[in-house]
Amino acid sequence: SQQGEEDPQALSIQEGENATMNCSYKTSINNLQWYRQNSGRGLVHLILIRSNEREKHSGRLRVTLDTSKKSSSLLITASRAADTASYFCATDATGANSKLTFGKGITLSVRP
Amino acid sequence: EADIYQTPRYLVIGTGKKITLECSQTMGHDKMYWYQQDPGMELHLIHYSYGVNSTEKGDLSSESTVSRIRTEHFPLTLESARPSHTSQYLCASSKGGYQPQHFGDGTRLSIL
Repeated sequence: SQQGEEDPQALSIQEGENATMNCSYKTSINNLQWYRQNSGRGLVHLILIRSNEREKHSGRLRVTLDTSKKSSSLLITASRAADTASYFCATDATGANSKLTFGKGITLSVRP
Repeated sequence: EADIYQTPRYLVIGTGKKITLECSQTMGHDKMYWYQQDPGMELHLIHYSYGVNSTEKGDLSSESTVSRIRTEHFPLTLESARPSHTSQYLCASSKGGYQPQHFGDGTRLSIL
């Protein structure tokens, strides 16, 4: 069964605006990761947040994790056209990074 | 960008053919993974390996097989391709622990 579910499924914003994407999951996790996938390419790791962390920053990215609600959000500030891609959350239940379970992804379009 | 390579990038082939998708990484990672991804959909883990001579089936049942004779090489084989095998196949590797997975650019397979 699918572990991560992203919301919304698609998001279209203007360059310079912020983009917020949400992910919910069903079972307990050791860590949650966000990946980006450009069209026709593989996934690129963006950020990892451990279950005992609540917030993490990396450049224009901010990730939050609420384990009580089993949800995470990814905020991209000051978006650029180059941020146009699909974004996936992935959960790692075991902590050994043995198996990640991916959601269906969010398609982000940033209009110049 | 991570040093993980998949060949071929695209393959169109007839039903019944034997196919091998190649995946190589130069990072010395012990853990390697194969995912299947249909357009606009989530990734499904079909095989993984924790090291040489270690292979396990993933969450999604697949008629493909894998081998891990060398650390850097994790090929996937379909003995007799069928149209239902048409999909994108992504290979990834990881150090394990809290380290991210690094992805190749995928093989887009089309079985006629």
